Amino acid sequence: DTGVSQNPRHKITKRGQNVTFRCDPISEHNRLYWYRQTLGQGPEFLTYFQNEAQLEKSRLLSDRFSAERPKGSFSTLEIQRTEQGDSAMYLCASSSHYTGYPYSNQPQHFGDGTRLSIL
Amino acid sequence: GENVEQHPSTLSVQEGDSAVIKCTYSDSASNYFPWYKQELGKGPQLIIDIRSNVGEKKDQRIAVTLNKTAKHFSLHITETQPEDSAVYFCAASTRGNMLTFGGGTRLMVKP
Repeated sequence: DTGVSQNPRHKITKRGQNVTFRCDPISEHNRLYWYRQTLGQGPEFLTYFQNEAQLEKSRLLSDRFSAERPKGSFSTLEIQRTEQGDSAMYLCASSSHYTGYPYSNQPQHFGDGTRLSIL
Repeated sequence: GENVEQHPSTLSVQEGDSAVIKCTYSDSASNYFPWYKQELGKGPQLIIDIRSNVGEKKDQRIAVTLNKTAKHFSLHITETQPEDSAVYFCAASTRGNMLTFGGGTRLMVKP
């Protein structure tokens, strides 16, 4: 299977603990995105990388959240001092990127997410 | 920023009937509009997309139309089957990076 892979699939932790999730994108994709989805809602953008550079961060990404993509391949999303409101599905997506209209938008392919539950 | 609204939030159809889901967007600079299907416990799966230089696109039983003037786009599913039951999301993108999603439509196809 060469799709986007996310680990772990489920994480249960106590409030105040730190958690880290991992995303392995489709191998030839140079863009990687993180989204958060709460129950009954559409995904909300958190941040994205082109290769190893983090190019945009949403206002949703508080200072307790940090994302890295050190070698331009897999990425990690860490949440420090978790709060009840952090309970959600964290989705990762990847895409190719080419410069120049009309090819700048390439399809984003999602993984099956990591479901985080805060006790 | 971009705002995407999606209607209806739930849709129930008989097997074999057509289903239509509509979305509106606010940012006239948006130029890419994908549709995703999400099944329980899974991530969103891209089913079709359309770019702003095209008014309509079809792939077997699925079609998408785009009206840039009115800032609407719609998903049409013909000859629905029980396996089409899922939550469908529309999305819009302006700069080739972040997607802004609608609130989702739960489609139920009754056998």
